[in-house]
Amino acid sequence: AQSVTQLGSHVSVSEGALVLLRCNYSSSVPPYLFWYVQYPNQGLQLLLKYTTGATLVKGINGFEAEFKKSETSFHLTKPSAHMSDAAEYFCAVSERRASSGSARQLTFGSGTQLTVLP
Amino acid sequence: NAGVTQTPKFRVLKTGQSMTLLCAQDMNHEYMYWYRQDPGMGLRLIHYSVGEGTTAKGEVPDGYNVSRLKKQNFLLGLESAAPSQTSVYFCASSSHGRGTQYEQYFGPGTRLTVT
Repeated sequence: AQSVTQLGSHVSVSEGALVLLRCNYSSSVPPYLFWYVQYPNQGLQLLLKYTTGATLVKGINGFEAEFKKSETSFHLTKPSAHMSDAAEYFCAVSERRASSGSARQLTFGSGTQLTVLP
Repeated sequence: NAGVTQTPKFRVLKTGQSMTLLCAQDMNHEYMYWYRQDPGMGLRLIHYSVGEGTTAKGEVPDGYNVSRLKKQNFLLGLESAAPSQTSVYFCASSSHGRGTQYEQYFGPGTRLTVT
């Protein structure tokens, strides 16, 4: 069974500082990897995903993440935090091989609340 | 396109009451999902559907039932609500087909309180 660990349930950074949100997965086969963002009282929005190809993935709002197979990690970064980045961020994985007729279920981490300080 | 919509947005139930949450999507997606979100636990899959007329259990299916009578709609039912079902419920959908069913699109959520 897959699992996702997000280190740090709360992260605070100053405006303009580097954002680093950590995600590690546990899976026998490297899965598909996703980062979603949730703004207050809203649904989840896809930030970026890794399925195949280049291991450094760029997403929306200046975020990027790098898949590192040797470290089973998919950490999310942004060079310079903006006040509008304050939100909850979820890392998620789905199996690379799904059974015929079954959906690729997402397994979520517990989330990291990002606070941006002025 | 409206994407994924959910009704109602908020609901308060008394223990033992029943209700149905409606999810609708206008993206012609084959797959639909119901999750619950609880503090510190991320999202957990309740039930999902791979097509009209088919449903399957997810990680936390007990106390819930679902139906997918039309491709665009996915209903989540609580027959006898319990305080442990107080949560925020999210519906999601994704497309079918090689290389396409990677990402899920989420609705805005339904906040349910059971007293």
